[in-house]
Amino acid sequence: DIQMTQSPSSLSASVGDRVTITCRPSQTINTYLNWYQQKPGKAPHLLISAASSLQSGVPSRFSGSGSGTDFTLTISSLHPEDFATYFCQQTYILPWTFGQGTRVEVK
Amino acid sequence: QLQLQESGPGLVTPSETLSLTCTVSGASITNTNYFWVWLRQSPGEGLEWIGSVHYSGSTHYNPSLKSRLTISVDTSKNDFSLNLSSVTAADTAVYYCARQVKVAVAGVYYSGLDPWGQGTLVTVSS
Repeated sequence: DIQMTQSPSSLSASVGDRVTITCRPSQTINTYLNWYQQKPGKAPHLLISAASSLQSGVPSRFSGSGSGTDFTLTISSLHPEDFATYFCQQTYILPWTFGQGTRVEVK
Repeated sequence: QLQLQESGPGLVTPSETLSLTCTVSGASITNTNYFWVWLRQSPGEGLEWIGSVHYSGSTHYNPSLKSRLTISVDTSKNDFSLNLSSVTAADTAVYYCARQVKVAVAGVYYSGLDPWGQGTLVTVSS
């Protein structure tokens, strides 16, 4: 299985901050990388697919980049509703696997 | 608007079979473009892809669970189901169902999971 390593596992930030989360798969996955947002008690929600393609309705302050074994999710200016946990997922090869999550907390 | 809803027992006895159903509303499960997926999430193991099913009956299973797993679809009820046998405490988790969608980017199709059901907690305990 492809192991997905996210960093950091958690971070503290303030409204307006720029936030960057990294995801590194254990082998190359081209751009078969998704990002999800999960709020407490809720299911994950798809934000970005194909490493950089924003899903409909997702604010433009979210962006994704990368390919191969190095990916980044960036929130350009943190909004109050963005405090949540973010997961990366590879869909390059079955079984699909997820990162362990990055919790974005209020500083 | 497409919605998915998991249902089933919240408590399962060790060595028994965990059975869940995901009811799809707002769209037909027979849309050929979609697979329907089961996942689970636990504090210790994080998010885990369990497997998927197409309305045609085609399935994909996580090898780590394959020997205990059956995923099936019932087109007459517009739902799909998960059966996981010989459960242990390690199978305790929140179980989610989701739709697998294809997103076209520059002529290449990529898969994603959208939407998800709200999730249902299943505890394995005697």
